[in-house]
Amino acid sequence: AQSVTQLGSHVSVSEGALVLLRCNYSSSVPPYLFWYVQYPNQGLQLLLKYTSAATLVKGINGFEAEFKKSETSFHLTKPSAHMSDAAEYFCAVRQNRDDKIIFGKGTRLHILP
Amino acid sequence: DAGVTQSPTHLIKTRGQHVTLRCSPISGHKSVSWYQQVLGQGPQFIFQYYEKEERGRGNFPDRFSARQFPNYSSELNVNALLLGDSALYLCASSFPGSGANVLTFGAGSRLTVL
Repeated sequence: AQSVTQLGSHVSVSEGALVLLRCNYSSSVPPYLFWYVQYPNQGLQLLLKYTSAATLVKGINGFEAEFKKSETSFHLTKPSAHMSDAAEYFCAVRQNRDDKIIFGKGTRLHILP
Repeated sequence: DAGVTQSPTHLIKTRGQHVTLRCSPISGHKSVSWYQQVLGQGPQFIFQYYEKEERGRGNFPDRFSARQFPNYSSELNVNALLLGDSALYLCASSFPGSGANVLTFGAGSRLTVL
């Protein structure tokens, strides 16, 4: 069965510092992997997706993620945090070509001035 | 282009009542999915509909039902509401066959059951 584990329900970084949000997945076949962001009182917005085309995936707002099969990881990074990055981030996995996506529990990112 | 639109945005019900949530997908998208997001948790899959047929169902009781109309809009119905049904209900649409079937989410309907 597929699953996603996000390490750390809350992460705090200083403005301008590196952002690293951790995600590990479990899947019996090569998965599709996603990172979504949710701002307060809003729906989910896709940051980036991995579809096996390239292991380093670049997304919107300066975020990127690297797929590491040997570590079953798909960590999200951004070189320099901005105050506007404060939000909840969800890692997600989909195994089949349907729309059932398994989400992690989320990591709330706090940006310190 | 309009995104995924959901209505109502907020609603309050009491235990035992029934609720209907509505979703209009992005124009051209034929697949609609519903997710439940309880406070502090990630979204959980409830249903997927494609071309008016149910394509998938999550681990939810039969009190939850849905349907898709010829114009691809969708309704989620929940009967005999329980306090635990309080959540943000998210609708997402996609165009199957478009690579990774990326889901585009609406802003959600926040349901409070008292």
